[in-house]
Amino acid sequence: DIQMTQSPSSLSALVGDRVTITCRASQGIGNFLTWYQQKPGKVPKLLIYKTSTLQSGVPSRFSGSGSGTDFTLTISSLQPEDVATYYCQKHDTAPLTFGGGTKVEIK
Amino acid sequence: EVQLVESGGGLLQPGGSLRLSCAASGFIFTSCAMAWVRQAPGKGLEWVSTISSNGRGTYYADSVKGRFTISRDNSKSMLYLQMNSLTADDTALYYCAKEPQTLGIGLDYWGQGTLVTVSS
Repeated sequence: DIQMTQSPSSLSALVGDRVTITCRASQGIGNFLTWYQQKPGKVPKLLIYKTSTLQSGVPSRFSGSGSGTDFTLTISSLQPEDVATYYCQKHDTAPLTFGGGTKVEIK
Repeated sequence: EVQLVESGGGLLQPGGSLRLSCAASGFIFTSCAMAWVRQAPGKGLEWVSTISSNGRGTYYADSVKGRFTISRDNSKSMLYLQMNSLTADDTALYYCAKEPQTLGIGLDYWGQGTLVTVSS
C-alpha cells in the first residue's frame, strides 16, 4: 500500500509568514492529493483537491502544488485563524490513506 | 443544507460488536460514495472504509478488513458500519463523510462524529 508522509509534524510561525507543508507519497498518485484543515475541537474541512484546486470558500492565501509523489500546501500569509492541523490524503484508489498531520501554531 | 448525523457509539468491552449509523440529508444520497474515517484521541485521521454510491463497491483499511462491514440503505439515506471483534485500538471518534458526485476529490462534508470506546 502507498504510504503518505507529511513534514514537518508541527511548526510555529509568525502572523504574516509564508508557511509550507510537504506531503510525500511512497508511489505516484498522479494529482489525486487532497488537503484538509482541522481546527482544534472541530470537524475536518476540505481545503484543496486534485493537488491545487481550492474548495469553494477557501481563502486564496492557501495554495497547493505538486504531482506524482511530492506535494505542498502553502499558506502565503499566515493568519491567526489558520491555527489548525493539516492533513493530506491520497484520493485515487483505496486505501485512501491520510498523512500523519502537520500542526500549525502562531509564534 | 448537507447534514450527516452519526449515532451508535458507546463503551464496550474488547471482543464486542457495535453498529454505527449515519443519517444523511440535504443532498442526493444515491449519487455519492460515502466513507467512515476515525480519529483516536489526540491522534490523526485514519480512513476506515468507503462504499460506492450503489453499494456494490466496498473498500477497507487493512486494520479493519475482515472485522468491519460498511453498508448503506439508499431508500433511507442511511450509512452503516458494523464493527466486530473490537479491540482497544479501535477506540476513536468515528466520522461519517461524503464524497462529491465527482470522484477523486475527497470528502467534502463530515458529520460531528460518534465516539467508540473499547475498554475492559
